[in-house]
Amino acid sequence: TQLLEQSPQFLSIQEGENLTVYCNSSSVFSSLQWYRQEPGEGPVLLVTVVTGGEVKKLKRLTFQFGDARKDSSLHITAAQPGDTGLYLCAGEGGAQKLVFGQGTRLTINP
Amino acid sequence: NAGVTQTPKFQVLKTGQSMTLQCAQDMNHEYMSWYRQDPGMGLRLIHYSVGAGITDQGEVPNGYNVSRSTTEDFPLRLLSAAPSQTSVYFCASSYNRGLNSPLHFGNGTRLTVT
Repeated sequence: TQLLEQSPQFLSIQEGENLTVYCNSSSVFSSLQWYRQEPGEGPVLLVTVVTGGEVKKLKRLTFQFGDARKDSSLHITAAQPGDTGLYLCAGEGGAQKLVFGQGTRLTINP
Repeated sequence: NAGVTQTPKFQVLKTGQSMTLQCAQDMNHEYMSWYRQDPGMGLRLIHYSVGAGITDQGEVPNGYNVSRSTTEDFPLRLLSAAPSQTSVYFCASSYNRGLNSPLHFGNGTRLTVT
């Protein structure tokens, strides 16, 4: 079974600070996705990274796929209270199954 | 568009009772799946379907049954509920399982088994 480990599991910072969330595995993934989930709702896709070393930006969010396609990171610049939520990484592990990490619960304090 | 609709939003069952969680999508997606979400464990795949008439097991299928008689609907059945099945259940769909086909999630069903 392919596993994705996210760190940290919980992160609470002040508005305006920068942060990085990590998603690591010992397995190679053909792609990785990042989702954000708000209370009472289902996860919503933020980005998909496919190529090793790929960097994608979504406003203040920067996503990177590791060169070996075993890990990914999410960096948020100048965090805002609206960034609060549960961030999940998910890997396309083959056999049409998406494997999720356990999530990082992010709280941005005003 | 309604997207992925799950009913009910909340449900309380006694051990041994059975029930069906409903999931419907109006996006003509071929792929549908069920996940359960437990604290500290992320989302775990229960069952999935790549099209009408085709279903397969995911990571944690025991205690759950599914069927896919139409493209739109993918119900999840608990035949004899157990406290270990207390969780939040999410249904998700996508056009296919290709790399550029994002999963669309419903808003979940919170199930408590006493």
